[in-house]
Amino acid sequence: EVQLVESGGGLVKPGGSLRLSCAASGFTFSSYSMNWVRQAPGKGLEWVSSISSDSNYIYYANSVKGRFTISRDNAKNSLFLQMNSLRAEDTAVYFCAREAYNYDFDYWGQGTLVTVSS
Amino acid sequence: QSALTQPASVSGSPGQSFTISCTGTSSDIGGYNYVSWYQQHPGKAPKLIIYEVTNRPSGVPHRFFGSKSGNTASLTISGLQAEDEADYYCASFTSSNILVFGGGTKLTVL
Repeated sequence: EVQLVESGGGLVKPGGSLRLSCAASGFTFSSYSMNWVRQAPGKGLEWVSSISSDSNYIYYANSVKGRFTISRDNAKNSLFLQMNSLRAEDTAVYFCAREAYNYDFDYWGQGTLVTVSS
Repeated sequence: QSALTQPASVSGSPGQSFTISCTGTSSDIGGYNYVSWYQQHPGKAPKLIIYEVTNRPSGVPHRFFGSKSGNTASLTISGLQAEDEADYYCASFTSSNILVFGGGTKLTVL
């Protein structure tokens, strides 16, 4: 069974940093591109970042470019999102998602809540 | 990159059929056949129901149908059921090598 489990969310002050993790199981992690998608409370979905299976291709939404860094460890079946210079508008549930075909996400984690507030 | 445009809410009665539209530009929906649709129930993670404009993942009922014309994609749900009440999001690959979502449509089953 495919499972994606996010962790690392919490309360952080504006300007602070946080590192999210996503533990994958039930599939060959190293064969899939992975993504982060976020959802602010009561709002819609926003794509954040993607990383190819071999980490050679990485893309970011304009809203997080230069502040967030996506990475992965295929040996440990893990995906990461390093978030720096956090702002109030980064407050959201962050989901990790497996990319099935072309930016189509067939499996999602349950999400981890990041709250940026003083 | 601006979000794709969806109606904020729609409603229908059980058994009805209707369509949710998703409007973009030639740089996203109009330029690629990489449009997907997601269903999200409250407090749950999104679920992929349509990918590459028209394809249904295994297990998704045939009542869900995807299509595209020009810069507008559409999700049609036929034979509306109570469990279809949810939020629906479209998404498209873009010329900037990023993904853009629609603002979401809340479907209410009367």
